[in-house]
Parts: sequence; C-alpha cells; structure tokens
Amino acid sequence: QAVLTQPSSLSASPGASASLTCTLRSDINVGTYRIYWYQQKPGSPPQYLLNYKSDSDKQQGPGVPSRFSGSKAASANAGILLISGLQSEDEADYYCMIWHNRAYVFGAGTKVTVL
Amino acid sequence: QVQLVQSGAEVKKPGASVKVSCKASGYTFTSLDINWVRQAPGQGLEWMGWMSPNNADTGYAQKFQGRVTMTRDTSISTAYMELSSLRSEDTAVYYCARGITAGVDHWGQGTLITVSS
Repeated sequence: QAVLTQPSSLSASPGASASLTCTLRSDINVGTYRIYWYQQKPGSPPQYLLNYKSDSDKQQGPGVPSRFSGSKAASANAGILLISGLQSEDEADYYCMIWHNRAYVFGAGTKVTVL
Repeated sequence: QVQLVQSGAEVKKPGASVKVSCKASGYTFTSLDINWVRQAPGQGLEWMGWMSPNNADTGYAQKFQGRVTMTRDTSISTAYMELSSLRSEDTAVYYCARGITAGVDHWGQGTLITVSS
C-alpha cells in the first residue's frame, strides 16, 4: 500500500470549491505529520503552495493566494488542500508530500480540471 | 530573487553515468539543503535525496543508494547530482529544489535525461 494516496482526478466548475485529499497509509498517523502541497502545470516545475500540521502550525507559500488552504481530517487519516473560488488558472496537478522515515515521500498527484 | 539554474538536457546510453548541475543564486548557498527530485514522463514526483552544501552531508532514498552521488562546489554555489548505471527507466526530468526548515520551496527548471541505446 502506498504511503500517500491521492485521487487521480477531480473536476469542478469555476467559482466552486475543490477539496483534494491526501490519505496516509493506515499505520502512520496524520496527526504527527506536516503535509506539504505543490502545484504543477504542464512543462513547469512544481510550485510550493503551503504546509499544514495544525491550525496553529502552518505556513502559506510566498505569494500564494489565501484561497488555497490546508487542513486535516483525522477520522480519515488525511491531509486536505482546499481551493476556494476555483479559477481556470488553477487547472494543474497537485501533489502532497510528507517527511517519513528520513525521506520525502510524494503522493501520486491529483489532476484538477476546471470545467 | 532565489534562482536555481540547472544544466541542459542530455542523452545517455544504458550503463553510462550522468551528472546534473544546479547553480544557486539569490541566497546564501551554504545555509540551506539541496534536494533532488525526478519525474518520469507522464508520471509523478520521486524524491532522490538531499545534500547539505554547508558540510556535504547527504541522505539518499533507499531506491538510489549505491547509484547516486550528490556533491557541491561552494566556490561557485553549485550542487551536483550524479546517477550511474543508467537504464531506460531513469529517463526523466530531474529537478533540484531548495530545502527549507519545512519542506522544499524553490525548484530548478528541470533537466531532461534520456537513456536510450
């Protein structure tokens, strides 16, 4: 089982909200991890969005709009990236990442399509 | 502004080695780690390891242990990643990325390495 699982795709309308999940393998507790989120558009390197450990311990990347926010769903053992007020420019691949066993681990990514 | 500028694309034969460079500017090179991440065509991101430009300490992903070497030249603020015994599955875009206290922030533009006979 993969360490991090992300849905392969998600579609939403402009102006809507999109909730991207990053589910941790059942033997590791999301509460102890900082979740990092990256956005990647075709032909470009990933861009750092934010990281989230708790409501009192989180950082927004420089220049990243506040409509991108992080949270956790403890019951689902998952990290969440919420994109509010979706815009066409948000169409991209989104990756989550954690530091686990002295290595960075990425999820497989979610392709977000803005219809 | 922070910039990481990588060397150009290369084509290598199976069994060969490749060395990718990453020149840093806009910050103190020795103050932050450099990570290397690769992305095969149409695939996701895969972390390869990190290196401290300050003291040359390294940490490699288990998958690449014995095949990857990360070094630096502080006089020219440049980090290097060398991958040996190349095979077709190593065809990918290789990125360097600056490590910060929490995660990695700035990324290089990427270097396409194609392994083909």
